[in-house]
Amino acid sequence: ETGVTQTPRHLVMGMTNKKSLKCEQHLGHNAMYWYKQSAKKPLELMFVYSLEERVENNSVPSRFSPECPNSSHLFLHLHTLQPEDSALYLCASSQAPGLAGGPEFFGPGTRLTVL
Amino acid sequence: AQRVTQPEKLLSVFKGAPVELKCNYSYSGSPELFWYVQYSRQRLQLLLRHISRESIKGFTADLNKGETSFHLKKPFAQEEDSAMYYCALSGLRGNTGFQKLVFGTGTRLLVSP
Repeated sequence: ETGVTQTPRHLVMGMTNKKSLKCEQHLGHNAMYWYKQSAKKPLELMFVYSLEERVENNSVPSRFSPECPNSSHLFLHLHTLQPEDSALYLCASSQAPGLAGGPEFFGPGTRLTVL
Repeated sequence: AQRVTQPEKLLSVFKGAPVELKCNYSYSGSPELFWYVQYSRQRLQLLLRHISRESIKGFTADLNKGETSFHLKKPFAQEEDSAMYYCALSGLRGNTGFQKLVFGTGTRLLVSP
């Protein structure tokens, strides 16, 4: 599959579990993003990585831990989540962040449910 | 504060009718504005950005700083334009200098035959 891919597409976890979301982009982009989309709320930026370096952490709780091992892969490690963290988590990428504007391509998202 | 308002949750028009999806923003600096679109069962994608002054799929959007608006327009709607449309604003810089993108809540456009 080309573009931005995300796995898993659906995830159900308990509050004490540890899980990870994976994002991969095959577009040669330099910047990758994590967004959270909750019901009836606008998309919220969580993290931005540019050239594998985190350039933005939008006041996200520490129970969410991002990792960007290389410019093509982005992870979101989850632990001790709360039910209110249930949402659609979207990964996105762009050629360059910040000055050039926002993300260009989004992944299909991971639908997360925390029990 | 940086804010984007899309006042209409749903806009329903007939095929061939003009379309205007409203977007108003609040930002004291010089903004960069975008429209994103999500078709049914497809992923979110960038439609256009104001700095490019482009027309994509017949859609245009003009930044009106006096009215702090960035409405998306198309003179003749097509059924395939039915989708969720999000307006977004980039302006406020985070503590690392990165420009954050703030999204509106979206407007669903339904184009009927």
